[in-house]
Amino acid sequence: GAGVSQSPSNKVTEKGKDVELRCDPISGHTALYWYRQSLGQGLEFLIYFQGNSAPDKSGLPSDRFSAERTGGSVSTLTIQRTQQEDSAVYLCASSLGDRNIQYFGAGTRLSVL
Amino acid sequence: AQSVTQPDIHITVSEGASLELRCNYSYGATPYLFWYVQSPGQGLQLLLKYFSGDTLVQGIKGFEAEFKRSQSSFNLRKPSVHWSDAAEYFCAVVLKEYGNKLVFGAGTILRVKS
Repeated sequence: GAGVSQSPSNKVTEKGKDVELRCDPISGHTALYWYRQSLGQGLEFLIYFQGNSAPDKSGLPSDRFSAERTGGSVSTLTIQRTQQEDSAVYLCASSLGDRNIQYFGAGTRLSVL
Repeated sequence: AQSVTQPDIHITVSEGASLELRCNYSYGATPYLFWYVQSPGQGLQLLLKYFSGDTLVQGIKGFEAEFKRSQSSFNLRKPSVHWSDAAEYFCAVVLKEYGNKLVFGAGTILRVKS
């Protein structure tokens, strides 16, 4: 596609439920990144994929968070047993090559009630 | 601690006035440097980047930034601000030794008054 696409744009869930957030990167981009933007913590890195592999998962805040990427394209970020502190905007970015210009999607706003 | 600092949380400028947003980093090596802009409800848009070479870089929307190694700074400038520039601006770095992730400053919210 023309840009990074994220779905849904908004997600409201109840505490304790699982959620899946989807990211479609720019066609041909080999690298994919997830970030979280929250009022208290600013913009934080979560995980990085090169192809289908995740060489850097250092930003995942707990084992309730996981992500996968299939076919070197679409990625899904899963949050299990959501907590109120998981409420944030989850941003996905993709890049091509080692110059690391990352292009961002519009994000998914997650609200945990 | 290694970090990216944007010392101004909010800045207000008059339309047509010049703008400078400050960014400092504290890393031993020179990282790749970026400025992104975020309008309300939107994702991040890349304004400009610095990898190497000429220390004055031009970006989109009339923005420029200057890398100063001696000051570990990468300040963003615009000679004449437009009302549509009101947004939040983020300075970010990539330090290849720490992988490809972007490390962001806290952001500066720009308000433009007419």
